[in-house]
Amino acid sequence: NAGVTQTPKFQVLKTGQSMTLQCAQDMNHEYMSWYRQDPGMGLRLIHYSVGAGITDQGEVPNGYNVSRSTTEDFPLRLLSAAPSQTSVYFCASSYRDRGDPGTNEKLFFGSGTQLSVL
Amino acid sequence: SQQGEEDPQALSIQEGENATMNCSYKTSINNLQWYRQNSGRGLVHLILIRSNEREKHSGRLRVTLDTSKKSSSLLITASRAADTASYFCATGFYNQGGKLIFGQGTELSVKP
Repeated sequence: NAGVTQTPKFQVLKTGQSMTLQCAQDMNHEYMSWYRQDPGMGLRLIHYSVGAGITDQGEVPNGYNVSRSTTEDFPLRLLSAAPSQTSVYFCASSYRDRGDPGTNEKLFFGSGTQLSVL
Repeated sequence: SQQGEEDPQALSIQEGENATMNCSYKTSINNLQWYRQNSGRGLVHLILIRSNEREKHSGRLRVTLDTSKKSSSLLITASRAADTASYFCATGFYNQGGKLIFGQGTELSVKP
């Protein structure tokens, strides 16, 4: 299994450009999420999905769109890139442990996309 | 807003020493998790402790949780150079679809 795959690994955009960060997982996980990581800020949740066709906003959703048409894919779209969106973006997937329904879902992370907006 | 505050922000020790990292959080939780991030890589799940547990072990890792103080600690015993990484605590609730709130992390450097 490849786990969680993110593409591209690096991207440079000009202000105002749009692009899509791709995320795919092959573990049949119900849940997928996008985080951004900035120096000294830890990880902040952008959007998340609890299943195909269902998405919701996280802590910092402005400027980003998501959709979840399949269980496997969860792309993140930057509508009009801004320098404030320069960051490292991580996609993660997770599942509910039905054998232990009281536990939280553990996240499996992709290797990240480093985005620079000039 | 960040849920967790981690302390220290950076820690440098010699191989063989123990490393202790602390995490404080603000609201009620169901579970607290610890993750490791090697430089330039994604995060890797280390250990999960439930709100009704006080201590948990996994290999050289020991995690404690004090819900009355809203704090947790991660102890790595007999550290190795390969333990050099950033460590993050994360809190969440049942069935939240991977919606975790992360602390700012502790950067651990283990010198051979």
